[in-house]
Amino acid sequence: DAKTTQPTSMDCAEGRAANLPCNHSTISGNEYVYWYRQIHSQGPQYIIHGLKNNETNEMASLIITEDRKSSTLILPHATLRDTAVYYCIVRVGSGNTGKLIFGQGTTLQVKP
Amino acid sequence: GAGVSQSPSNKVTEKGKDVELRCDPISGHTALYWYRQSLGQGLEFLIYFQGNSAPDKSGLPSDRFSAERTGGSVSTLTIQRTQQEDSAVYLCASSSRQSIGTGRIYGYTFGSGTRLTVV
Repeated sequence: DAKTTQPTSMDCAEGRAANLPCNHSTISGNEYVYWYRQIHSQGPQYIIHGLKNNETNEMASLIITEDRKSSTLILPHATLRDTAVYYCIVRVGSGNTGKLIFGQGTTLQVKP
Repeated sequence: GAGVSQSPSNKVTEKGKDVELRCDPISGHTALYWYRQSLGQGLEFLIYFQGNSAPDKSGLPSDRFSAERTGGSVSTLTIQRTQQEDSAVYLCASSSRQSIGTGRIYGYTFGSGTRLTVV
């Protein structure tokens, strides 16, 4: 079972910031939060990951609450090409297992 | 290669036939994963390889499904006596261990998948 909860769908205006929330209240201390997205008919694409601190890369920012029970993925200036299903994942397993358990994700629709 | 390669990209097969799906992971990636995605659904984990061994087969839906990996590289997912409910996109991912910052994390790269249609 997925260990995260996300809204089913969200809309965002093109050029505006898209803020995608995720709840992971049962996260363990050594588990990372990963975000992937899947554009129609393609394999999932890595976006960003984090443990405790906020993270930023060329695609997005990840804000993790101090208690680590939730996080927010921020796309600072959404474009039409950012329309996709966004998955928030907590990595399960220790050592080398590391399988990703995907939930249903959030379908983000960026509108002109 | 530069990415994870899967073949064929599309496969149409008759009910009852066997199919083989192939995954070429990124060179040097020790871990390999198979997932499937039915139409309009999320990704369902099938099996995980570390090297040539499969420590986690918990997601294989039935004994008609099997997978192997040879030489720590190419993996084949075999579905015997295919059924219509096997129709889905089968995705492969590989990962490596990277040491970044304060902890070890794993980078996962997915292929584009094989779309299997059982008629």
